Amino acid sequence: IAGITQAPTSQILAAGRRMTLRCTQDMRHNAMYWYRQDLGLGLRLIHYSNTAGTTGKGEVPDGYSVSRANTDDFPLTLASAVPSQTSVYFCASSDSPGSGANVLTFGAGSRLTVL
Amino acid sequence: GQNIDQPTEMTATEGAIVQINCTYQTSGFNGLFWYQQHAGEAPTFLSYNVLDGLEEKGRFSSFLSRSKGYSYLLLKELQMKDSASYLCATDNDYKLSFGAGTTVTVRA
Repeated sequence: IAGITQAPTSQILAAGRRMTLRCTQDMRHNAMYWYRQDLGLGLRLIHYSNTAGTTGKGEVPDGYSVSRANTDDFPLTLASAVPSQTSVYFCASSDSPGSGANVLTFGAGSRLTVL
Repeated sequence: GQNIDQPTEMTATEGAIVQINCTYQTSGFNGLFWYQQHAGEAPTFLSYNVLDGLEEKGRFSSFLSRSKGYSYLLLKELQMKDSASYLCATDNDYKLSFGAGTTVTVRA
């Protein structure tokens, strides 16, 4: 089934540890995004990539890094996790931003708890 | 940043109609989206408006007024499965900014 795969589904992490959330899509979409979702705050954009080889900062990029080596993969790395990064993380993709409706398809999410 | 406001919660009876309002202030506007998110699941696309007016899609309709910075999502003939969070989002320079979401509870 075409779509977005995120891993891990859930993770408990000690503060100060490094963590990479994986995201892979098989729809050949050009753009990919990472959002975090917190109660009462909704989805907030962390980083995005319009095409392979390019990335940009979203609304809340501090403490996070991304890379886009190819079309399919867009990993999100927390270099040194802190408790405020406890959240549900959603990866999303869209076909061609700027060409009609920029409809995002979301992965199932990764629930991260930092203790 | 973007400023998107929508009510936190709404409750309605099965078979009824519910209207979820969304107001926004934004720059570089490229359209307004509504997404549905069931508890513990990913958001899924419901509707998109880029021009003023009403877009109807089955039991769901969405309205946009760009001059007023206002949209609503209308859910008709409510079913129990419509209990979910509904997210209003604006497309700003081809990146989506989301409101906090409206949790709709449908009661029998």
